[in-house]
Amino acid sequence: DQQVKQNSPSLSVQEGRISILNCDYTNSMFDYFLWYKKYPAEGPTFLISISSIKDKNEDGRFTVFLNKSAKHLSLHIVPSQPGDSAVYFCAADNAGNMLTFGGGTRLMVKP
Amino acid sequence: NAGVTQTPKFQVLKTGQSMTLQCAQDMNHNSMYWYRQDPGMGLRLIYYSASEGTTDKGEVPNGYNVSRLNKREFSLRLESAAPSQTSVYFCASSEAVYNEQFFGPGTRLTVL
Repeated sequence: DQQVKQNSPSLSVQEGRISILNCDYTNSMFDYFLWYKKYPAEGPTFLISISSIKDKNEDGRFTVFLNKSAKHLSLHIVPSQPGDSAVYFCAADNAGNMLTFGGGTRLMVKP
Repeated sequence: NAGVTQTPKFQVLKTGQSMTLQCAQDMNHNSMYWYRQDPGMGLRLIYYSASEGTTDKGEVPNGYNVSRLNKREFSLRLESAAPSQTSVYFCASSEAVYNEQFFGPGTRLTVL
């Protein structure tokens, strides 16, 4: 049973608009959440993270929102750029033991 | 700084053959990890090493062994490869188990 799920395998948005990527989790012990970005033939690269004591973290065009009661987090990219086209993975950490990754969402930003 | 490097980039094996995937990092990180990525499954942790001299099983350790050779190097061994081990393998490192992980470029392994 997957503890971290990304229910949308793909998402297409127009350049300049907002991209919203969603992630749900089931384990209430997760206390730290991360988003990674992956281009083809490369390893994932860290994008942004959030601790469970916060509900929002912002870094430039990227904002992550955490709703603990709903066990849901989302990544907002505003404005979206063609270079943002990649696969995005959310991941959750349980007290520093190991990361559990979602299945990924492929984002395509059209010029 | 090269970051995290992995060798080889590609490998084709026959069922039953063995091989070792190599990983090295030059960031002086304490923790290292091996993941496999399969379509729709995200990345699943095979083994990790919280510090030099220690290794622990992850989510999918069966069929694999690891060696933390020194602080820089962490290898993954398949003793008797099976088609179910066809995957892309990623090595990663971090300062500690609770920190951002840095990934290598991956090894694409096909077992026939």
